[in-house]
Amino acid sequence: SQTIHQWPATLVQPVGSPLSLECTVEGTSNPNLYWYRQAAGRGLQLLFYSVGIGQISSEVPQNLSASRPQDRQFILSSKKLLLSDSGFYLCAWTEGANSGNTIYFGEGSWLTVV
Amino acid sequence: GQNIDQPTEMTATEGAIVQINCTYQTSGFNGLFWYQQHAGEAPTFLSYNVLDGLEEKGRFSSFLSRSKGYSYLLLKELQMKDSASYLCAVGTGGFKTIFGAGTRLFVKA
Repeated sequence: SQTIHQWPATLVQPVGSPLSLECTVEGTSNPNLYWYRQAAGRGLQLLFYSVGIGQISSEVPQNLSASRPQDRQFILSSKKLLLSDSGFYLCAWTEGANSGNTIYFGEGSWLTVV
Repeated sequence: GQNIDQPTEMTATEGAIVQINCTYQTSGFNGLFWYQQHAGEAPTFLSYNVLDGLEEKGRFSSFLSRSKGYSYLLLKELQMKDSASYLCAVGTGGFKTIFGAGTRLFVKA
């Protein structure tokens, strides 16, 4: 069966510091991978998606970036965090390039920028 | 623009039935999803409707009317563990799925 893991689960970072969140998927090949952010009281916001190694599409301009160095690995990064980057970050995957496919989420990472 | 509306909060009693409504306006439609999200956890898949009508899965049912841009999630025989947020989401075509802000359901004894 397929599993998805992301880490770290929680982190507190000062403004201006770098960020790296990592996500891996097991049990499937060539998944579509996503990074979402969930702010309090708001819907999930799609940040990045990837259909393959090295292929990244950004949905929202911001100081975050994503990379996919391996088929089942997806990384969210920032060089300098802002207070507004605080939130719950979710990695996710789907089978196939179709928004009619079920989205499976990782455990989530709570980021607090202080 | 694209928009999904659902109530912010609902309260219901253990053992009762609750209906959570969702209305949507999107540029494309590839199906409507309901996800359950317990506090501090990731969302988990509950149901998917792409055709009009009712889909039943145990205590949970989901209904879709594409002409009205309307869906509801029906939870029967409520249990305390059903206290969670319920997210309505619409696949709009391509890779894009739009999520509502979620409905926080409180189940009281």
